[in-house]
Amino acid sequence: DADVTQTPRNRITKTGKRIMLECSQTKGHDRMYWYRQDPGLGLRLIYYSFDVKDINKGEISDGYSVSRQAQAKFSLSLESAIPNQTALYFCATSGRGRGYNEQFFGPGTRLTVL
Amino acid sequence: DAKTTQPPSMDCAEGRAANLPCNHSTISGNEYVYWYRQIHSQGPQYIIHGLKNNETNEMASLIITEDRKSSTLILPHATLRDTAVYYCIVRVRGGGSNYKLTFGKGTLLTVNP
Repeated sequence: DADVTQTPRNRITKTGKRIMLECSQTKGHDRMYWYRQDPGLGLRLIYYSFDVKDINKGEISDGYSVSRQAQAKFSLSLESAIPNQTALYFCATSGRGRGYNEQFFGPGTRLTVL
Repeated sequence: DAKTTQPPSMDCAEGRAANLPCNHSTISGNEYVYWYRQIHSQGPQYIIHGLKNNETNEMASLIITEDRKSSTLILPHATLRDTAVYYCIVRVRGGGSNYKLTFGKGTLLTVNP
């Protein structure tokens, strides 16, 4: 089984709809991240969480919110989806201490907003 | 974080060694070199990292020059499944505010049959 899973893997929705993307991990890591990837722009950080009680904005958090329900679960919500949020979304995790930069990524969620 | 420079693309024959270069001439003494790769539309995958000594794991070898201004990732026997974009990232290792990986454009390695 994969260490970092994301659901759904693909989603098509309409402008204005609320969408939730979910991430679960079995690696026992404390840090979790949400990135989005757009063609030609690389990965950009949306939100990150160092533990269950810690949530931090990344570089492009506007229009998004997150919830860290448990150490193993980190959800990303689009409250009112818009077409420019069409992208590939990745969840990632990393461990304590010297392993912070060794991030493990999920398979991604391809989101299309019409 | 130190800036890195990689060639945009490289080709390699299947079964041969793939040598991917990275320049990081402004690297600081406490910054590590990390390599990730991303196979088309999949999540990025951590490969290896090093500070100043050469490193090897089951996936690859990392050769860092003595002055640490450049490095080479070596895939000893490339396969078609190694076709991917390879990213060289220079970062201080550890916690604190070092939370975000910055992926540049990387090198598209194409392994040909």
